[in-house]
Amino acid sequence: DTGVSQDPRHKITKRGQNVTFRCDPISEHNRLYWYRQTLGQGPEFLTYFQNEAQLEKSRLLSDRFSAERPKGSFSTLEIQRTEQGDSAMYLCASRGPRDKFPGELFFGEGSRLTVL
Amino acid sequence: DQQVKQNSPSLSVQEGRISILNCDYTNSMFDYFLWYKKYPAEGPTFLISISSIKDKNEDGRFTVFLNKSAKHLSLHIVPSQPGDSAVYFCAASDGGTDKLIFGTGTRLQVFP
Repeated sequence: DTGVSQDPRHKITKRGQNVTFRCDPISEHNRLYWYRQTLGQGPEFLTYFQNEAQLEKSRLLSDRFSAERPKGSFSTLEIQRTEQGDSAMYLCASRGPRDKFPGELFFGEGSRLTVL
Repeated sequence: DQQVKQNSPSLSVQEGRISILNCDYTNSMFDYFLWYKKYPAEGPTFLISISSIKDKNEDGRFTVFLNKSAKHLSLHIVPSQPGDSAVYFCAASDGGTDKLIFGTGTRLQVFP
């Protein structure tokens, strides 16, 4: 296992379409995070799972966004009725139960969304 | 409301010299601070961190300094190498959690 894997790497869609991103965390990492990064900004926290439980959601995550982690392994992030403002890099990160310090996350390479 | 600020969007340093990247924060409740490095087309990579109970942490060429009274932290890279050229993000941990609040980043270029 070489790291956090995200798919697809780049998605171009038309406004109003639905898109889904997948994240495969590092094996045995029980915590999984989604962040979003727009141009010129740092990553912003979206949501967090511990195993299959979604423990926190940012107010940035509107009703059009839904995230799941059904078996506590991979996670999906779905955006319904996409808007141009959803264009961003969606980053997934994971962290293991024995990792020592808060905030030391392992990030994937991201899924870039472009909404036309 | 930007709680973590990196006011210098870019920095250019000669190889072998010191690079100093700065970060300011507004929330005195932040208790853990981190620096991440990001190369193009890659995700951020953790670099170094510091707890609010300390004022310095070193790891090889990288040292982070924390000044709580000024709500300021800095990352020193000595000596700078061309491979250090990347975007550096400062981040604060909200309540000792992994819910990080990032700055906007500083692009460091190290030239020969």
